[in-house]
Amino acid sequence: EAGVAQSPRYKIIEKRQSVAFWCNPISGHATLYWYQQILGQGPKLLIQFQNNGVVDDSQLPKDRFSAERLKGVDSTLKIQPAKLEDSAVYLCASTGVSYEQYFGPGTRLTVT
Amino acid sequence: QQPVQSPQAVILREGEDAVINCSSSKALYSVHWYRQKHGEAPVFLMILLKGGEQKGHDKISASFNEKKQQSSLYLTASQLSYSGTYFCGTEAGRRALTFGSGTRLQVQP
Repeated sequence: EAGVAQSPRYKIIEKRQSVAFWCNPISGHATLYWYQQILGQGPKLLIQFQNNGVVDDSQLPKDRFSAERLKGVDSTLKIQPAKLEDSAVYLCASTGVSYEQYFGPGTRLTVT
Repeated sequence: QQPVQSPQAVILREGEDAVINCSSSKALYSVHWYRQKHGEAPVFLMILLKGGEQKGHDKISASFNEKKQQSSLYLTASQLSYSGTYFCGTEAGRRALTFGSGTRLQVQP
């Protein structure tokens, strides 16, 4: 069974630029999560999707971050414009019928 | 609110035991444990559901005290492969996980 796929793996941008990350969850997993993990900290939930609907986006900085999961499968997370404090690893995870979350390899974003 | 993990870091020799604690101020539905190695994604270890159950996997086990909203992860006869950062993730009411700040575990030969 293929795992959660994410791309790109690394991205370096200047502040005020925009960036987009892509995630393809495990086949059949209805729930998809985006987390932000700052160095030395635990993952912090940004947004949770159930199929193509948003379940929780209370911690998503909506003035600059957006996410979509149009067909209930893959998802994109966008930052526009980026700030220095957005430098982090962005993790995508998915769950199926069980509660176990399966994480992708992440995208390491550096904002200069 | 973020769960509190303790200790923040621990260094062990191979074969020694360790306990990692996780506590929350909120009523919990479940507690999840993950291990993350440097530069890698978190990997699921186990989940404990409301009901105070205890689970085990090889030489790693965990307990969940529902009354105290606390969970503990027990690592027995540690191996070099146990090195990494351990995170507990708490779930209150079937929502997404809130992760603690992690416990860095280093097992030395």
